[in-house]
Amino acid sequence: GAGVSQSPSNKVTEKGKDVELRCDPISGHTALYWYRQRLGQGLEFLIYFQGNSAPDKSGLPSDRFSAERTGESVSTLTIQRTQQEDSAVYLCASSPIAGARNTGELFFGEGSRLTVL
Amino acid sequence: AQRVTQPEKLLSVFKGAPVELKCNYSYSGSPELFWYVQYSRQRLQLLLRHISRESIKGFTADLNKGETSFHLKKPFAQEEDSAMYYCALSRRYGGSQGNLIFGKGTKLSVKP
Repeated sequence: GAGVSQSPSNKVTEKGKDVELRCDPISGHTALYWYRQRLGQGLEFLIYFQGNSAPDKSGLPSDRFSAERTGESVSTLTIQRTQQEDSAVYLCASSPIAGARNTGELFFGEGSRLTVL
Repeated sequence: AQRVTQPEKLLSVFKGAPVELKCNYSYSGSPELFWYVQYSRQRLQLLLRHISRESIKGFTADLNKGETSFHLKKPFAQEEDSAMYYCALSRRYGGSQGNLIFGKGTKLSVKP
């Protein structure tokens, strides 16, 4: 596919369960980002990958949140022991790195809507 | 600390009226700023970046370092401009693009 793909598009889970959200970036994009968007709120940065390493994971809200990326491709965001306040749309984006300066354009997926009951 | 502030949650104008969506930022380095837009049922997408000094769909934005602002303007709003608009600031790591910090967004509603 041409765009960033996220799955599942919708996930309803019970409080206390673990969830995994997946992101397939655009092929060849070395940078990958996770954001969270709560209802009525803006985009909250979670973590950023350059290749398979994460130079900035400052936005992860607690140790229940983790993310990994493999093969400079797919990334998984894992939320353990989900809480109701984790309910949000989780957005993934990717971008190419063009030498020392890139265009700054992020390509977003459609998001994974998580509802914790 | 880096921060992007969009003071208006909602902005409502009539078709043909000028529109200005405000964005202020705080950043210790040399900022790179962007406007992203999300139309109803579409993905968030780039509208314009300050470095390009371009006009997209009639929108322009000028970086004012003195006022630390990057307001988005359009002289004559159209109904199809109704959308959620996000101002974003880029942080850099070394010489490479880092993550974008987004404001909370402004919902623009253009009435007929």
